[in-house]
Amino acid sequence: DTGVSQNPRHKITKRGQNVTFRCDPISEHNRLYWYRQTLGQGPEFLTYFQNEAQLEKSRLLSDRFSAERPKGSFSTLEIQRTEQGDSAMYLCASSSEGQYSGNTIYFGEGSWLTVV
Amino acid sequence: DAKTTQPNSMESNEEEPVHLPCNHSTISGTDYIHWYRQLPSQGPEYVIHGLTSNVNNRMASLAIAEDRKSSTLILHRATLRDAAVYYCILSGSGTSYGKLTFGQGTILTVHP
Repeated sequence: DTGVSQNPRHKITKRGQNVTFRCDPISEHNRLYWYRQTLGQGPEFLTYFQNEAQLEKSRLLSDRFSAERPKGSFSTLEIQRTEQGDSAMYLCASSSEGQYSGNTIYFGEGSWLTVV
Repeated sequence: DAKTTQPNSMESNEEEPVHLPCNHSTISGTDYIHWYRQLPSQGPEYVIHGLTSNVNNRMASLAIAEDRKSSTLILHRATLRDAAVYYCILSGSGTSYGKLTFGQGTILTVHP
């Protein structure tokens, strides 16, 4: 069990560029979540997947954001035409859920984005 | 989403027990109670979670009030490494499970 892995850990990009973050969940975890955290605030839910299906998206996820989980394993979060307000830590989490809820949700170390 | 209320900050001395309170008066019957902690520039670390019964693990204990409108995270012997922001969070079950709404949390300071 290597935990939830996120890459890259840090990304500095110019405004208007596109960036992509990758998340590798814990093996065999069927649920994968993305959160965003800005300085001084708690994490905010963005979206989540059950296997390859994206089941819910927050209103925080503007049309410049897209998340995928093509084979139900790793996931990518892409931000197009980045803005300075996108500067934040992007967190990925995963859990194993079946007919009943209640399993532990594990977070990764996060990917820091700085838009200059 | 049901919300939680936590003190902004608490202080403790090393090797003493710490009781971190959380109020969740609007909790529903299927809401889980989760506790995470976070250090600066790191992702949230899982501490403990439960539904109705008290829970114990190697890190902490979770005491849930009988009416479930409050809970307490108990660190049995605080260490300097326990200094962090502690979040008490509710989530629903089923498709809502894992959709965690973090508040401001409690900043725990541990004195040597």
